[in-house]
Amino acid sequence: EAGVAQSPRYKIIEKRQSVAFWCNPISGHATLYWYQQILGQGPKLLIQFQNNGVVDDSQLPKDRFSAERLKGVDSTLKIQPAKLEDSAVYLCASSSPAGLGTEAFFGQGTRLTVV
Amino acid sequence: GDSVTQMEGPVTLSEEAFLTINCTYTATGYPSLFWYVQYPGEGLQLLLKATKADDKGSNKGFEATYRKETTSFHLEKGSVQVSDSAVYFCALLMDSNYQLIWGAGTKLIIKP
Repeated sequence: EAGVAQSPRYKIIEKRQSVAFWCNPISGHATLYWYQQILGQGPKLLIQFQNNGVVDDSQLPKDRFSAERLKGVDSTLKIQPAKLEDSAVYLCASSSPAGLGTEAFFGQGTRLTVV
Repeated sequence: GDSVTQMEGPVTLSEEAFLTINCTYTATGYPSLFWYVQYPGEGLQLLLKATKADDKGSNKGFEATYRKETTSFHLEKGSVQVSDSAVYFCALLMDSNYQLIWGAGTKLIIKP
């Protein structure tokens, strides 16, 4: 079974520039999560999709971050304009909520450095 | 609100020592509980899980028991190895909306 694919793996941009991350979840997984993980901290949920609808985006800084999941499959996360404090690893995860205990599977993440 | 609390790290042990990493939670409903591990430079991967009270999850010598009476899911291993050095995250999955609630993570350092 192919895992969650993310690209790019690394990105360095200057502040005020824009950047986009891509995620391809495991086939058939209805739930997709985007997390921000700052070095030394736990993952912080940015947005959760169920198919192509948003379940939770309460911690997404909507003035600069946006995310979409067209056709309920792939997803993109965009930051425009980037700030220094956006430097982090952006993790995508997916799950298939078929019942209790369905775990989320994570991609390798995209490490963003804003300079 | 729902939350997960983990013991602060780093936890430093010698090889073959006994490990306990505490995790307690607050949740409404009937969450599932997970331990994830993140090795240096890698992504998060599931270590073990439990879906109901008194369930014991186990994997790679690690164990954790879902204790509803104490709202805990402590991670244990009888004899740790250097290769167990990583950051360990406790998490719960809400059964109502599939939201994952995460602890802050505990860094484990095993010295030879």
